[in-house]
Parts: sequence; C-alpha cells; structure tokens
Amino acid sequence: QQQVKQSPQSLIVQKGGISIINCAYENTAFDYFPWYQQFPGKGPALLIAIRPDVSEKKEGRFTISFNKSAKQFSLHIMDSQPGDSATYFCAASRGYGQNFVFGPGTRLSVLP
Amino acid sequence: GAVVSQHPSWVICKSGTSVKIECRSLDFQATTMFWYRQFPKQSLMLMATSNEGSKATYEQGVEKDKFLINHASLTLSTLTVTSAHPEDSSFYICSAVDMGNYGYTFGSGTRLTVV
Repeated sequence: QQQVKQSPQSLIVQKGGISIINCAYENTAFDYFPWYQQFPGKGPALLIAIRPDVSEKKEGRFTISFNKSAKQFSLHIMDSQPGDSATYFCAASRGYGQNFVFGPGTRLSVLP
Repeated sequence: GAVVSQHPSWVICKSGTSVKIECRSLDFQATTMFWYRQFPKQSLMLMATSNEGSKATYEQGVEKDKFLINHASLTLSTLTVTSAHPEDSSFYICSAVDMGNYGYTFGSGTRLTVV
C-alpha cells in the first residue's frame, strides 16, 4: 500500500530525444505526486509536482501525466540534454506535512 | 526560494564514535522535518519524522537509541548517529516542510563513512 513502483530502472536517450519514466502507486490516500532529480552526492531537487485533480502539468521541458483511475503517473522530458543525466525519483505523499514515499529511481543517461 | 542547509556535507568517523548532522531551514520555519537514508544506487528511505518540540517518530526497524533526533527549534533539527559502525555508512538527507508555502525542501545530504 505504501509502495511506489517506478520503471525503467535505467534509461539511455539520445540528445534531443524524449525521456519517459513511469510510476504507479496503490494507496488512494496519496494526493501529491512530485518528481525529484538527484545528481551524485547531492540531495534531491524538486522538478515538478502534480495533484490528482489535474491530468497533466507542464513546466518547460518537463511534463507530468497523471491517470487517477489507473493510479499511474509519468514524467516526460522533452528535448533531453546531457545535463539531464541524473537519477529521477517519483514520490507520493498523503497530504501536506506528510513524508514522501519514493520510487526506486531511474538512472537517465542522455548521450551527446 | 526555500533553502535547507545540511551540515556537514561529508564526515568520516571511527567505529564506536558519535556523529551529529545538522539540518537548518534558512528562510522559513519548519515544524516538521524528515530524515532519510540513502544507500548507494538505492532510493531514499524514511528514517524518522521530526516535529518541533516533541519526540521524533521513527519508522519500523530504525533504532531510536542509535539515531537520536532533536528538533529544538523551528529552524533546526539534528540527527546524531551514536556508536557508529561501518554498516551505518550511508548518505543521510533531511527535508523540511515550509508551512507557509506548502513546500518541501531537501538538504544537500551528508555522506557518512564509518571506518
């Protein structure tokens, strides 16, 4: 119930391509779904987040698609750049002030 | 934007000694802070929830006597790893909840190596 599944485990994309990472959850009490980017030796940094009442949110090259009925959400990175090479974590929380449950992460490598 | 300062960024200590890690919210008050642990190439796992002025809530399997958490003010939470052993070597990350802006901000993490 508390688990957040994430795939793929690793992803290699050519520069300019689209990177797609998928997550799924079971707990319908989750109501906040952020995506974090983490570089080696650094803390996670928020990329973009969405709530269940919205099916899609776009910020620059990053888009979250949310399917409430399927309990799935995904991150799309358009025009992927080598600088996007990092580990991406999806997460979910049950409400304001609650901790996050993180997915296992996806290592993205964008080839120049 | 909200900034969380975590210190030190890395520390090496001898087995059996204690290490204190600080997490400070620099420009907002955080009644709640979370402490996570991350092993290499793994995800972040919640260790405990730290609430200002009260005892921390620990996740199952996390030894409260080993990982002492103190949240004495609205801007500072500390994690002390007592009697550290090599298996405690990990990346420790805090996050703070900005009650004013519904924001969660993560610290930059502390790499602990116990030798």
